[in-house]
Amino acid sequence: DIVMTQSPDSLAVSLGERATINCKSSQSILSSSNNKKHLAWYQQKPGHPPKLLIYWASTRESGVPDRFSGSGSGTDFTLTITSLQAEDVAVYYCQQYYSTPLYTFGQGTKLEIK
Amino acid sequence: QVQLVESGGGVVQPGRSLRLSCAASGFTFSNFAMHWVRQAPGKGLEWVTVVSYDGNNKYYADSVKGRFIISKDNSKSTLYLQMNSLRPEDTATYYCARDGCGGGDCYGAFDYWGQGTLVTVSS
Repeated sequence: DIVMTQSPDSLAVSLGERATINCKSSQSILSSSNNKKHLAWYQQKPGHPPKLLIYWASTRESGVPDRFSGSGSGTDFTLTITSLQAEDVAVYYCQQYYSTPLYTFGQGTKLEIK
Repeated sequence: QVQLVESGGGVVQPGRSLRLSCAASGFTFSNFAMHWVRQAPGKGLEWVTVVSYDGNNKYYADSVKGRFIISKDNSKSTLYLQMNSLRPEDTATYYCARDGCGGGDCYGAFDYWGQGTLVTVSS
């Protein structure tokens, strides 16, 4: 099974500053068949279901603000939120969909305002 | 607009069964694989199971294999999860989610999620 490990577990950032969340996969999730990284990021606010933010490691879902961006290589990935807003307080999860139809999520990173 | 509405959660004793439903609308249900994902209270997300767009292929996490059965009624645009031999560790909010790949036998990220239904397994 592919294990997804996020860091840090929690993070406090001042409003307007940059937040960076990391995700590492236990093996490469770069597909040789389509040359795409099978990595998604989700945002979950308290009392709400998760929301897809980014797929293919760096493609923003429709309607997601451009202060959210994703990057990374075959095993190391980053979600960056530039200019943090109050509404960005949430738990963020990475997910691999390389070994479909079996999926795994990271343990989550809780983002708060400093 | 895409909507997914789960139902069927509740309190159940260990060893008993429960069936969850997820009513879908706003898209061509028969074109998409569908998933169940669960979240224990205060914990992270755990993928549970997926059914292919046509309902013919089903895959399960090891934690539920042999106990849970996923099914899909494309004529009713409804997804189901039959949960048997329930254990206290199955206590969680269960979400149905649409696979964003769509259009055939493919799998990708989850682009729409329901609000979830809470299942509590306790004596």
